[in-house]
Amino acid sequence: EAGVTQSPTHLIKTRGQQATLRCSPISGHTSVYWYQQALGLGLQFLLWYDEGEERNRGNFPPRFSGRQFPNYSSELNVNALELEDSALYLCASSFGARYNSPLHFGNGTRLTVT
Amino acid sequence: DQQVKQNSPSLSVQEGRISILNCDYTNSMFDYFLWYKKYPAEGPTFLISISSIKDKNEDGRFTVFLNKSAKHLSLHIVPSQPGDSAVYFCAASEGGGADGLTFGKGTHLIIQP
Repeated sequence: EAGVTQSPTHLIKTRGQQATLRCSPISGHTSVYWYQQALGLGLQFLLWYDEGEERNRGNFPPRFSGRQFPNYSSELNVNALELEDSALYLCASSFGARYNSPLHFGNGTRLTVT
Repeated sequence: DQQVKQNSPSLSVQEGRISILNCDYTNSMFDYFLWYKKYPAEGPTFLISISSIKDKNEDGRFTVFLNKSAKHLSLHIVPSQPGDSAVYFCAASEGGGADGLTFGKGTHLIIQP
């Protein structure tokens, strides 16, 4: 089965611009999660989408937003980019908010803000 | 405030020996725990999980132990192989769902020949 796919693999933007990151979940998975891994830090939870709705968000400012499409794919938008937004952004999918449903991750998008 | 802590940033183990990775948590509401493995330039890969109703779960060379009273879990890898060299993340969630797993900062395991 195809895994979680993310695009692009690398993205370079300048401060103040907007970035759009895309994610396709594993077939059959309805939930998509976004995580940020900044240098020296663990994975920080950003957003959770399930069945097209935002279900939860982490402690990030509103300029981090996203959406989930009817085919369960998702995009993450980061507006007004700041230098500290430079990080690896990981998308994960699962069967939804069911017990014992582990997250399966993509290989991430490396965002560099200059 | 870190709710999931992996206090060893790195661990070096000889090939064939046992690797023990540790993880502590502070949130007593966590009831589902997972271990992930991450190679450079790849996303984390799910390894093994355990629910709070168990104290041990085994899958091949990997065993996870959960001590709820101590709020501690550990991952045992026996025997350790060169391909096990990677960063290992401990993660936890509460309420039975996978929304917003809380991750530790990871332990870099190095298997020496």
